[in-house]
Amino acid sequence: SQQGEEDPQALSIQEGENATMNCSYKTSINNLQWYRQNSGRGLVHLILIRSNEREKHSGRLRVTLDTSKKSSSLLITASRAADTASYFCATGNSGGSNYKLTFGKGTLLTVNP
Amino acid sequence: DTGVSQDPRHKITKRGQNVTFRCDPISEHNRLYWYRQTLGQGPEFLTYFQNEAQLEKSRLLSDRFSAERPKGSFSTLEIQRTEQGDSAMYLCASSSSGERGNHFGPGTRLLVL
Repeated sequence: SQQGEEDPQALSIQEGENATMNCSYKTSINNLQWYRQNSGRGLVHLILIRSNEREKHSGRLRVTLDTSKKSSSLLITASRAADTASYFCATGNSGGSNYKLTFGKGTLLTVNP
Repeated sequence: DTGVSQDPRHKITKRGQNVTFRCDPISEHNRLYWYRQTLGQGPEFLTYFQNEAQLEKSRLLSDRFSAERPKGSFSTLEIQRTEQGDSAMYLCASSSSGERGNHFGPGTRLLVL
């Protein structure tokens, strides 16, 4: 079953705009991760946020985590056409390791030049 | 660091045939995972190895599926008597101990005719 559920399912924006994607999950987690997948390719790890963290930055990426609402958001600032991809959130269970990830269905982001 | 590699990248087979996929993880990573991804969905966990020990198998992994990691390095995933429902992208990932993101390979896309 899917643990994370991304919202929206699809997002289309213009280059230079910001893109925000949300993720909700159901059970306790150890950490939450975001991945990017270009069409037909493998996943690329973007950022990991631990359950005791509330916000994390990496370059143009900003991730927030609200464990009370069981939700996370990924913000991509100043988007580029190359950011066009599917974005997935994945939760690591609270069993002490992140060895098994549970993914959502993803958000398809299209950045128009 | 050459990344995670998978072979073959594409496989077309007829229903009832056996197929075997190979994954070479990042050399210093002791954790190896197999996931399956169907169109429009996020990856679903299949199985997990720590070194050569297979520590967990998903219910998705029917008796027709078997995975090995004989020397704690590369891994193979075999599907016997393939069915059309096995058509999917099979993704391998690896990670080191500790809370870090997983490194995914490019995947093997299987089409069962």
